[in-house]
Amino acid sequence: GESVGLHLPTLSVQEGDNSIINCAYSNSASDYFIWYKQESGKGPQFIIDIRSNMDKRQGQRVTVLLNKTVKHLSLQIAATQPGDSAVYFCAFSGSARQLTFGSGTQLTVLP
Amino acid sequence: DTAVSQTPKYLVTQMGNDKSIKCEQNLGHDTMYWYKQDSKKFLKIMFSYNNKELIINETVPNRFSPKSPDKAHLNLHINSLELGDSAVYFCASSRTLNNEQFFGPGTRLTVL
Repeated sequence: GESVGLHLPTLSVQEGDNSIINCAYSNSASDYFIWYKQESGKGPQFIIDIRSNMDKRQGQRVTVLLNKTVKHLSLQIAATQPGDSAVYFCAFSGSARQLTFGSGTQLTVLP
Repeated sequence: DTAVSQTPKYLVTQMGNDKSIKCEQNLGHDTMYWYKQDSKKFLKIMFSYNNKELIINETVPNRFSPKSPDKAHLNLHINSLELGDSAVYFCASSRTLNNEQFFGPGTRLTVL
């Protein structure tokens, strides 16, 4: 079956530190992976994506790493800021080419 | 301009009623979706609608029915509402399947 799991449901980091959010997936046929950020009271917002022909992709202050061997995805946020506090979801393409979402990690940035 | 919009933002209703949530996207996307987010923030896809093809999640009760009058709209109609239907419902759209999805602001449904 398909599943997406997150290693940590909550993560607290000091402002200015780097954050790493992890995600495991089980469908070896998945070829598209996305990270979303959801702030309180809002819909999920796209952060960064990666396709299976890559193992790393960088955006502004964010990096996504994909390890297809162990079916692991991670999101790295550099110099974490208070505005980064949110729930982060990983998602991957599954059967019928629909996205399956992970259960989410609550990131809290401490002053 | 709002890319994906939903109405209403809040919906409070009694058990047994029938209600609809509307969704519109102005991105010119071919694919639209409905998601349900429970109190634990778990996001689960309910439907996707791609070029007039409806893909249904088999776990969704048939009390839920999506209706797409055109490519820019995907409305969600719910019959005989139950307490367990209380959740936040998100509409989303993407250029095609397997692409970045843009989400609406959500509709918080409370069934009393």
